Amino acid sequence: EDQVTQSPEALRLQEGESSSLNCSYTVSGLRGLFWYRQDPGKGPEFLFTLYSAGEEKEKERLKATLTKKESFLHITAPKPEDSATYLCAVQIYNFNKFYFGSGTKLNVKP
Amino acid sequence: EPEVTQTPSHQVTQMGQEVILRCVPISNHLYFYWYRQILGQKVEFLVSFYNNEISEKSEIFDDQFSVERPDGSNFTLKIRSTKLEDSAMYFCASRRGDEGTQYFGPGTRLLVL
Repeated sequence: EDQVTQSPEALRLQEGESSSLNCSYTVSGLRGLFWYRQDPGKGPEFLFTLYSAGEEKEKERLKATLTKKESFLHITAPKPEDSATYLCAVQIYNFNKFYFGSGTKLNVKP
Repeated sequence: EPEVTQTPSHQVTQMGQEVILRCVPISNHLYFYWYRQILGQKVEFLVSFYNNEISEKSEIFDDQFSVERPDGSNFTLKIRSTKLEDSAMYFCASRRGDEGTQYFGPGTRLLVL
């Protein structure tokens, strides 16, 4: 069965303390892996798309990387406004559907 | 910047009633989706829609659910006879092409009493 697992479930950081979030997947034929940010009561907000192993994308304090089995979202020197739940989702080849992980809830304290 | 919109933002209904959730996808997008998120749980795929027909649906999307694109702009999700367990946040999403980014709306919070 296709699976997307995110870890840790929750992460508390001090402002400026860098860390990484993990998304591991066991799907047959990855078409794309997507990172989203979700604030409470809101819809997921797109961050990155990664298509192939070795690919990296960067935006401000965030950097996403992809291997054949997992993706990492690196957060460098986070600020309190980075506090949110970070979701990863995968699309499989030949299927127009997406599987989401349970998310990592990030709390950055000033 | 274009965005996906959804109405209503909140809906309260009685068990057994029909509800229609509405979405206006981004105008040049061709692929449309509905997801649900029960409070505290993961975002779950319900259905995808392309070229005026359903392309994929999950096990959750049973006969009580239906989708429609009644005109060139709206995309609706109908739940025929609501159950308590249908209480959730429902998100609409759209994307332009098969490899495009999927953009989400703000959601409709449905509460079934």
